Amino acid sequence: AQKVTQAQTEISVVEKEDVTLDCVYETRDTTYYLFWYKQPPSGELVFLIRRNSFDEQNEISGRYSWNFQKSTSSFNFTITASQVVDSAVYFCALVREGSQGNLIFGKGTKLSVKP
Amino acid sequence: GAGVSQTPSNKVTEKGKYVELRCDPISGHTALYWYRQSLGQGPEFLIYFQGTGAADDSGLPNDRFFAVRPEGSVSTLKIQRTERGDSAVYLCASRYAGTAIYEQYFGPGTRLTVT
Repeated sequence: AQKVTQAQTEISVVEKEDVTLDCVYETRDTTYYLFWYKQPPSGELVFLIRRNSFDEQNEISGRYSWNFQKSTSSFNFTITASQVVDSAVYFCALVREGSQGNLIFGKGTKLSVKP
Repeated sequence: GAGVSQTPSNKVTEKGKYVELRCDPISGHTALYWYRQSLGQGPEFLIYFQGTGAADDSGLPNDRFFAVRPEGSVSTLKIQRTERGDSAVYLCASRYAGTAIYEQYFGPGTRLTVT
């Protein structure tokens, strides 16, 4: 069975602090994809990144970076120098290769960035 | 271009009533998904369409839930004899299904409240 765990329910930081959102996944498949989505207060899920299971290179996009470690089944997300606009719920999700693409989501981490 | 749209944005109905929720996917996206997001949870898969047919309806909770996509574009999620437990945000997503699994584009959701 596939499962995604986001142990941090809520995180509160002050603007300009760095923050890391944790994601641990479970799957028996060798080929799968991992995603991060952002859900701002407006409610629409916004795609941030996709990673396939064969690509363990870390990725950086502006203030965002992702650390994928198969050895610990983790796909953590770091926001550097957080801003108030980063306040949202962040979801980690998993899709296994060969499936119909149904995303399996974690419960999300609510990030609040205070000015 | 236009994103995924969902109507209505909010729906309040009485217990026992019938409701229809509509999703307009991105033009050209043949794959369409419905998810349900309960308060404080991540989205949960309901049903997947490839073209006009429901390729996977394993996530539908019971036979009160039904979805159609008669022309391979717009989809309608139908809920009969609504119950208070059906209250949630119903999300629709679409993706181009011509190649490997890529990111799904989500609509803003329909917030259903059953009183």
